[in-house]
Amino acid sequence: NAGVTQTPKFQVLKTGQSMTLQCAQDMNHNSMYWYRQDPGMGLRLIYYSASEGTTDKGEVPNGYNVSRLNKREFSLRLESAAPSQTSVYFCASSDLAANEKLFFGSGTQLSVL
Amino acid sequence: DAKTTQPNSMESNEEEPVHLPCNHSTISGTDYIHWYRQLPSQGPEYVIHGLTSNVNNRMASLAIAEDRKSSTLILHRATLRDAAVYYCILRGGGSNYKLTFGKGTLLTVNP
Repeated sequence: NAGVTQTPKFQVLKTGQSMTLQCAQDMNHNSMYWYRQDPGMGLRLIYYSASEGTTDKGEVPNGYNVSRLNKREFSLRLESAAPSQTSVYFCASSDLAANEKLFFGSGTQLSVL
Repeated sequence: DAKTTQPNSMESNEEEPVHLPCNHSTISGTDYIHWYRQLPSQGPEYVIHGLTSNVNNRMASLAIAEDRKSSTLILHRATLRDAAVYYCILRGGGSNYKLTFGKGTLLTVNP
């Protein structure tokens, strides 16, 4: 099992460019999440999808959009990248119950110049 | 959302036990206590979780206070590979989906 797969692993953008971060999970999980992590900081929730067909804002949604394409895939889009969005982005997935663990991808390191 | 409070950093010596505390005074009756850790340059990984009773697995033990307002992650014999940031989060009830992480505790293990 691959678990949670994120692509790309690294990306450099210029200010104003757009891009989509891809995330896929093969564990048949209902819930998926996007987090960002700035240097020396904890994880901050950008958006989450409790189940297929639903998405909700997290702590820091401004400047991002998401799509829950199907049960497996949850993408994060930056429409007009800004230097403040330079960060490491993690995708995670889980089943719905409170005693279910989260599984994380290996992250995407994004630099916006 | 129920919040957790952890020390910013802790230090331990190799092969000694480590007790990582977490306060969660606003925990609700349906909240599970989860612990994750993040090794350098990696995504977080699950460590352990519990509801009311103490829990053990191959990685660690989780001790939960009787009033559930605090918990302690116990690494019985720290190794250099245990150096990581440890996160304590609550999951359940209203926070079941909107899972928030704080800054965690940076554990340094000295040889």
